[in-house]
Amino acid sequence: TQLLEQSPQFLSIQEGENLTVYCNSSSVFSSLQWYRQEPGEGPVLLVTVVTGGEVKKLKRLTFQFGDARKDSSLHITAAQPGDTGLYLCAGVFNDMRFGAGTRLTVKP
Amino acid sequence: DAGVIQSPRHEVTEMGQEVTLRCKPISGHDYLFWYRQTMMRGLELLIYFNNNVPIDDSGMPEDRFSAKMPNASFSTLKIQPSEPRDSAVYFCASSSSSRVGGYTFGSGTRLTVV
Repeated sequence: TQLLEQSPQFLSIQEGENLTVYCNSSSVFSSLQWYRQEPGEGPVLLVTVVTGGEVKKLKRLTFQFGDARKDSSLHITAAQPGDTGLYLCAGVFNDMRFGAGTRLTVKP
Repeated sequence: DAGVIQSPRHEVTEMGQEVTLRCKPISGHDYLFWYRQTMMRGLELLIYFNNNVPIDDSGMPEDRFSAKMPNASFSTLKIQPSEPRDSAVYFCASSSSSRVGGYTFGSGTRLTVV
C-alpha cells in the first residue's frame, strides 16, 4: 500500500495541451516535494512546498499544496516533449516516502 | 560538485553471487539513503544513514541485504547471495539536515540477476 497515491498513473497528451497530476495521502506532511525522473537517471528535485495553501510557479509548472497539507497538484501549461518523464511526489514524514509516480508522455 | 556518484552503472550477475553497489554522496551532506526502484513497487526506501550511522533499516528486504557507511564519503549496499527477484535499479541519494533542499540522487545502478 502506497502512503502517497498519485494519479493518473499514465498520461499521454499532445504538445501544447495543459495537464494536472495529483498526489494524495491520508497523512499530513511536514513538507512535500516534486521530482522528475528521465529514463536512465535518478529523480531530480523540481520544488519543495511547506505551507498549507502554498502555490509555487516554475516557468510553465505550477505546484499547489493543499490547505490541510495532505495533498498536492502539479499543473503544466502548454506541455512540450521535453516535459516527458516520470513525475514523483515525495512526502517528508520521519523520512521521505515517494508515490508511485505519473508517467507523462508529450507527443510532438 | 560532481553530484552523487554511484558505481557500477550496470551489473549483471548470476544467482547466488555476491553483489556490491557503491555510492559517494555530496560532500557536506549528512544524510544518505538507499532506494530500490521497480515498475511494480516504485521507489522503496531500503535504509538511511545520518552522520554515517544507520538510522532505519526497516526497508531492507531480507538478511541477504546489508549496507555500510564507513565514512562520510562512501557507502556500500551488498546483496549476498543475490536472487533474480533482486533485479531492479538501486539509487543512492544524499541530503543536508534541513532536507528542504531535497534529495540529490545518483544515476543509479541497474542490477540484473540471472
